[in-house]
Amino acid sequence: DTGVSQDPRHKITKRGQNVTFRCDPISEHNRLYWYRQTLGQGPEFLTYFQNEAQLEKSRLLSDRFSAERPKGSFSTLEIQRTEQGDSAMYLCASSPGTLLTEAFFGQGTRLTVV
Amino acid sequence: AQKVTQAQTEISVVEKEDVTLDCVYETRDTTYYLFWYKQPPSGELVFLIRRNSFDEQNEISGRYSWNFQKSTSSFNFTITASQVVDSAVYFCALSEAYNDMRFGAGTRLTVKP
Repeated sequence: DTGVSQDPRHKITKRGQNVTFRCDPISEHNRLYWYRQTLGQGPEFLTYFQNEAQLEKSRLLSDRFSAERPKGSFSTLEIQRTEQGDSAMYLCASSPGTLLTEAFFGQGTRLTVV
Repeated sequence: AQKVTQAQTEISVVEKEDVTLDCVYETRDTTYYLFWYKQPPSGELVFLIRRNSFDEQNEISGRYSWNFQKSTSSFNFTITASQVVDSAVYFCALSEAYNDMRFGAGTRLTVKP
């Protein structure tokens, strides 16, 4: 197992376009998290899944954002009608079990909206 | 609400100096977890330590040590005999049971040769 994988690593898009990111967690990890990190800040929680169920969403996750984890394995994060303020690093993490113990992070997808 | 404060935005030291990174947290829960993560220039967050709220024992791992004090709501991280490879951004994070992690703003550590 090679850890948490995110694709793509970099994405440049024009304002108003839709983008989708993929995260492949460590196999058999029940929990999957999405975070957003802007320059000079710590990661901010967006949402998390317990298997295929989305259990919590941050107020940062506007209605332009949607996340899925259809079979409890990989997850996608879609941003519709992107805005310049969406430019950030989007991080995915996974952890085993039902309690948040140790989360393993991917290398992130850096989104630039021009 | 959960909150993590890392008051030191940037720290610069010379190699072999000891350095302490401060973390102060706020929570109303009695059960919670505290974490430290390292983010090197490559960008990937690297787990360093987890501590639960019922275990106040300090921990040492090689050159790293952590001081958890519930009385002051602090979970400080000390690097002894710092090395250039320790240069990174370090994040403290808090998680309430069955919940997500909330990160501080991070402390950028630069270790000069």
